[in-house]
Amino acid sequence: EAGVAQSPRYKIIEKRQSVAFWCNPISGHATLYWYQQILGQGPKLLIQFQNNGVVDDSQLPKDRFSAERLKGVDSTLKIQPAKLEDSAVYLCASSLRGNTEAFFGQGTRLTVV
Amino acid sequence: AQSVSQHNHHVILSEAASLELGCNYSYGGTVNLFWYVQYPGQHLQLLLKYFSGDPLVKGIKGFEAEFIKSKFSFNLRKPSVQWSDTAEYFCAVNANSGYALNFGKGTSLLVTP
Repeated sequence: EAGVAQSPRYKIIEKRQSVAFWCNPISGHATLYWYQQILGQGPKLLIQFQNNGVVDDSQLPKDRFSAERLKGVDSTLKIQPAKLEDSAVYLCASSLRGNTEAFFGQGTRLTVV
Repeated sequence: AQSVSQHNHHVILSEAASLELGCNYSYGGTVNLFWYVQYPGQHLQLLLKYFSGDPLVKGIKGFEAEFIKSKFSFNLRKPSVQWSDTAEYFCAVNANSGYALNFGKGTSLLVTP
């Protein structure tokens, strides 16, 4: 079974630039999550989708972050403009449905300089 | 507020020593409980999970965890660690209502030969 795919693996940008991350969940998984993991901390939920609808985006900094999941499959997360404090690993995960185990991708390591 | 606390941030053990990592949560209502592991350079993987039933759950690689409802705890144990257990361990909780995992800050385990 193919896992959760994310790209790119690494990205370095200057502050105030924009960046986008892509995620392809496990086939058939209705729920998709984006997490932010800052060095030394646990993953923090940014947004949860159920199919192509948003379940929870209460911790998404909506002035600069946006996410979409068109057609209920792939998803993109965008940051515009980036700040230094956005340097982190961005993890995508998927599950069959909410409150079941989540499967994680390798993550995208973002460095903002 | 809902939270997950992991007591030990850094643990160093010799091979064959016993391991216990603490996890406490602050949630009302029914919860699902998880331990994830992240080996160096790899993605987050599920070690074990508790949804209901026997509060002592067994996971992969000889790990087990015990759910003690009265103490709001879900501690991870392994009787004899190996060098290959060196990794970051995360406790996670979600409410049994479709919401995303809430992670603790993680415990970094180093097992020395």
